[in-house]
Amino acid sequence: AQSVAQPEDQVNVAEGNPLTVKCTYSVSGNPYLFWYVQYPNRGLQFLLKYITGDNLVKGSYGFEAEFNKSQTSFHLKKPSALVSDSALYFCAAQTPRTGANNLFFGTGTRLTVIP
Amino acid sequence: DGGITQSPKYLFRKEGQNVTLSCEQNLNHDAMYWYRQDPGQGLRLIYYSQIVNDFQKGDIAEGYSVSREKKESFPLTVTSAQKNPTAFYLCASSNPQAVQGVETQYFGPGTRLLVL
Repeated sequence: AQSVAQPEDQVNVAEGNPLTVKCTYSVSGNPYLFWYVQYPNRGLQFLLKYITGDNLVKGSYGFEAEFNKSQTSFHLKKPSALVSDSALYFCAAQTPRTGANNLFFGTGTRLTVIP
Repeated sequence: DGGITQSPKYLFRKEGQNVTLSCEQNLNHDAMYWYRQDPGQGLRLIYYSQIVNDFQKGDIAEGYSVSREKKESFPLTVTSAQKNPTAFYLCASSNPQAVQGVETQYFGPGTRLLVL
């Protein structure tokens, strides 16, 4: 079965420290990979995506993600966390269009940045 | 959230009542989606539509219905058959890129449905 795993429900990091939110996937073929962020009672905001090419993808708000094909991972990173980064983060994997549901979400990781 | 609007922000449903959630987009996207979000479960796909007048069931379509009469609109009806409707409902839209077929989904602000 196709799936995306976010092994940590909660990540706490001190303001100014680097942060990592982990994501691994089990999806056939060469999926496209996404990160979204959700603030309380809001919709999901697109942060970044990996299609092909450079394994390090840069996105919005200073976030970046590293694609590792051998480990089937796509971890989200930021060099210096801000309190305003506190939110719920979702990883997703998309298979090429087959006429069926082709976007698979992880269960989310709640990031708390401590002042 | 820009380009996709959902209304109302909060919706209360009585037992046995059907309610309709609105989703409108001005992004000229072909595809639209409805997701349900429950705590700790991520997003689950209810229905999706790749083109006007066509839609497909997602993973949890039972108790829900949709229509796609216009490109910009994709309303979701939560019927009385849905026994546990309390959740946060998210609408999204996308368009395939000409190259590589990547479809980035963009989300609306959501509607929280509560049962009285």
